[in-house]
Amino acid sequence: NAGVTQTPKFQVLKTGQSMTLQCAQDMNHNSMYWYRQDPGMGLRLIYYSASEGTTDKGEVPNGYNVSRLNKREFSLRLESAAPSQTSVYFCASSFDRGLGEQYFGPGTRLTVT
Amino acid sequence: GIQVEQSPPDLILQEGANSTLRCNFSDSVNNLQWFHQNPWGQLINLFYIPSGTKQNGRLSATTVATERYSLLYISSSQTTDSGVYFCVRIGNQGGKLIFGQGTELSVKP
Repeated sequence: NAGVTQTPKFQVLKTGQSMTLQCAQDMNHNSMYWYRQDPGMGLRLIYYSASEGTTDKGEVPNGYNVSRLNKREFSLRLESAAPSQTSVYFCASSFDRGLGEQYFGPGTRLTVT
Repeated sequence: GIQVEQSPPDLILQEGANSTLRCNFSDSVNNLQWFHQNPWGQLINLFYIPSGTKQNGRLSATTVATERYSLLYISSSQTTDSGVYFCVRIGNQGGKLIFGQGTELSVKP
């Protein structure tokens, strides 16, 4: 039981490049989330997926797209990376939206130059 | 909006000491977690505790929902306890997390 896994762990991009962050969970959770954490701050919600087949915007969705590929996998795409997207990205899952505890992946440290 | 306030903002302990971290909420609590973010950035679930008391080894937590606060107790602290402790209220809409500002704990050997 791996919990929540994320790839890659580290990534450096040039401005304008694109990339996809991958997330998978093996806990049979319905809801999955993408957050970003900037220095000295808590996590801010980018997008979430309450259940397979649905996605919704969080607090800071601009510049990102997501795909809930199946119940296990939720990916985050940066179409044209900007330096303001330099951050640590965390994926999380919970049994149901807004209910129960959230479990976090190890994070992806992204630098955009 | 909903506020989550943690105290103290930072804390330095000698290994073996005990400590209590506090979290106050501006509205009623129905969904609350304590996390530890270690110096490597990992977010570790400590407790999901909307009410009552839970214990896990040297750590325990109590939430008094009617009084709008939660406490995290760390006993016999170890250097590996260092990091930032976040009290987090889980919002009802979309799982939005409402973070306290965190307590930065440093345990010295």
